[in-house]
Amino acid sequence: DAKTTQPTSMDCAEGRAANLPCNHSTISGNEYVYWYRQIHSQGPQYIIHGLKNNETNEMASLIITEDRKSSTLILPHATLRDTAVYYCIVRSIGTASKLTFGTGTRLQVTL
Amino acid sequence: DGGITQSPKYLFRKEGQNVTLSCEQNLNHDAMYWYRQDPGQGLRLIYYSQIVNDFQKGDIAEGYSVSREKKESFPLTVTSAQKNPTAFYLCASSALPGQGARTEAFFGQGTRLTVV
Repeated sequence: DAKTTQPTSMDCAEGRAANLPCNHSTISGNEYVYWYRQIHSQGPQYIIHGLKNNETNEMASLIITEDRKSSTLILPHATLRDTAVYYCIVRSIGTASKLTFGTGTRLQVTL
Repeated sequence: DGGITQSPKYLFRKEGQNVTLSCEQNLNHDAMYWYRQDPGQGLRLIYYSQIVNDFQKGDIAEGYSVSREKKESFPLTVTSAQKNPTAFYLCASSALPGQGARTEAFFGQGTRLTVV
């Protein structure tokens, strides 16, 4: 599976959009981009995933660049409860594969 | 309700003892995973299994063992050979590609193991 690179930490004001970047320059054609988040001492929670088109669900939007080498998770109106560690993962769907996490981005939402 | 259950939430053991962490899922998922998380760190993959009676080592398998005798269950044994066993352990499951189901992983709430 391709490796991902994320900033270690980010801050966002409550009510503003949080834009979390992820670099996955070695991604291959059959690999999806998944985003999870982990609130302190809990199991990670799935947010969204995509292959090459932009995706939106009730939690967030995922923007994948045309060359697929990077993506951005957008939380449109961040709240204090969005404070968490956000993980960007690349996972092959062609065959079942191990699910490898990086170190993630610690997002702090402030008043 | 469908989900993935880890037990117990907190576990204390004496150094040198083996300990088994439980992970059960009723989501009918074929794939199951075990991760270790140390304070302030990301998740590191210990073992994963894609089918009953088969499993593969992850990135930090030394000192751990697993079994997959039933689809629903994937217990992890932390053996005395694991030099630093105190950590937060997370189990996950997912459907396999091509099964027509969503493929995101679902996580349990974790077991915090302390070895003294």
